[in-house]
Amino acid sequence: EPEVTQTPSHQVTQMGQEVILRCVPISNHLYFYWYRQILGQKVEFLVSFYNNEISEKSEIFDDQFSVERPDGSNFTLKIRSTKLEDSAMYFCASRRGQYNEQFFGPGTRLTVL
Amino acid sequence: QQPVQSPQAVILREGEDAVINCSSSKALYSVHWYRQKHGEAPVFLMILLKGGEQKGHDKISASFNEKKQQSSLYLTASQLSYSGTYFCGTEYPIGGSQGNLIFGKGTKLSVKP
Repeated sequence: EPEVTQTPSHQVTQMGQEVILRCVPISNHLYFYWYRQILGQKVEFLVSFYNNEISEKSEIFDDQFSVERPDGSNFTLKIRSTKLEDSAMYFCASRRGQYNEQFFGPGTRLTVL
Repeated sequence: QQPVQSPQAVILREGEDAVINCSSSKALYSVHWYRQKHGEAPVFLMILLKGGEQKGHDKISASFNEKKQQSSLYLTASQLSYSGTYFCGTEYPIGGSQGNLIFGKGTKLSVKP
């Protein structure tokens, strides 16, 4: 069964460094999302991406965040200058169409020291 | 805008039933239910679209009352594998919205033998 994959599974970085989190959505899906979950808390929406552009973003998704779909398969989240409070699990999700379920990847645990 | 889930936590004995509620203060387009086990990604359970409907598979079902802006997840004859945190994700009929989900804080379900 097709699934969303994410790499790396765990990323440790120093405050102020740039990180790129990678996702490969399910191949025939058209809508892509990034969410994050701080340990022990709820899942929070960051950004949605459709038709090669950002369609919606939350207040969390400020200027230090960016997303790209550099080729037909990868979907990346870049954090330009990481802060301690960026430490969280980051989930990528995709869905085939507007009326379909979203499938989550296994997540990348980001630890900012 | 965040949906409110209740209860926050519930402890069951194997074989008992539970109901988890998800309420919104705004009109909903759809409700998505997920289960998350510790350290893992949310796993999709079911999606309910506006129009009011009930769905189910196995011993897990859900209803969506569009007028009351709420959804309920029903777990019957619970099994140990049902343990986890249940999140409802709500989608709002905002023009141009590409389906990002706003999640509740979750309901922690523990099933004991």
